[in-house]
Amino acid sequence: GAVVSQHPSRVICKSGTSVKIECRSLDFQATTMFWYRQFPKKSLMLMATSNEGSKATYEQGVEKDKFLINHASLTLSTLTVTSAHPEDSSFYICSASSAGSYEQYFGPGTRLTVT
Amino acid sequence: TQLLEQSPQFLSIQEGENLTVYCNSSSVFSSLQWYRQEPGEGPVLLVTVVTGGEVKKLKRLTFQFGDARKDSSLHITAAQPGDTGLYLCAGADRGSTLGRLYFGRGTQLTVWP
Repeated sequence: GAVVSQHPSRVICKSGTSVKIECRSLDFQATTMFWYRQFPKKSLMLMATSNEGSKATYEQGVEKDKFLINHASLTLSTLTVTSAHPEDSSFYICSASSAGSYEQYFGPGTRLTVT
Repeated sequence: TQLLEQSPQFLSIQEGENLTVYCNSSSVFSSLQWYRQEPGEGPVLLVTVVTGGEVKKLKRLTFQFGDARKDSSLHITAAQPGDTGLYLCAGADRGSTLGRLYFGRGTQLTVWP
């Protein structure tokens, strides 16, 4: 149980375009979803936290107008990187947790490359 | 801010050796999770410890939560090449917003055959 999927697993886009990444909880209801960014051989950096049906809470330094997060249902959250630039290239990982649980289950990640 | 200090940052050992990874904080956590991550993949939950002094075993891995719930350790016995990966500890604060986890910076373990 507790399976989280992400799509796409890899994406290459041109500078200035927008990219949407989907995160789905496949076998449980995710009341809260988290979006992280990870640099090579580094730990996870939390970007934002979202509850289903509510606006996301962004971490300090993360531009909410650049990284748009939607958590429209208990099984789906999306992260849209708007007007992407090469410095946005990174490994983006989502996680999901159910109500009352401190455990987060992670998706397999999305490798974004902006050319 | 709840800081989790994880050490060592890098560990390179031979197959069969034992090792311990530490996570320490000045803050109290309601629970602590250990994850393992392989390159290009998301972290996989290994264990959750909740009670101070709790010890959990997962085959050759032993996890301990400190009595004061401020620190934790992961001990691997007779490491194997398949144990290679990035190990992450993460603490949960009951009072924090929306179940946020505070991650250590990770321990990159390489086990050579």
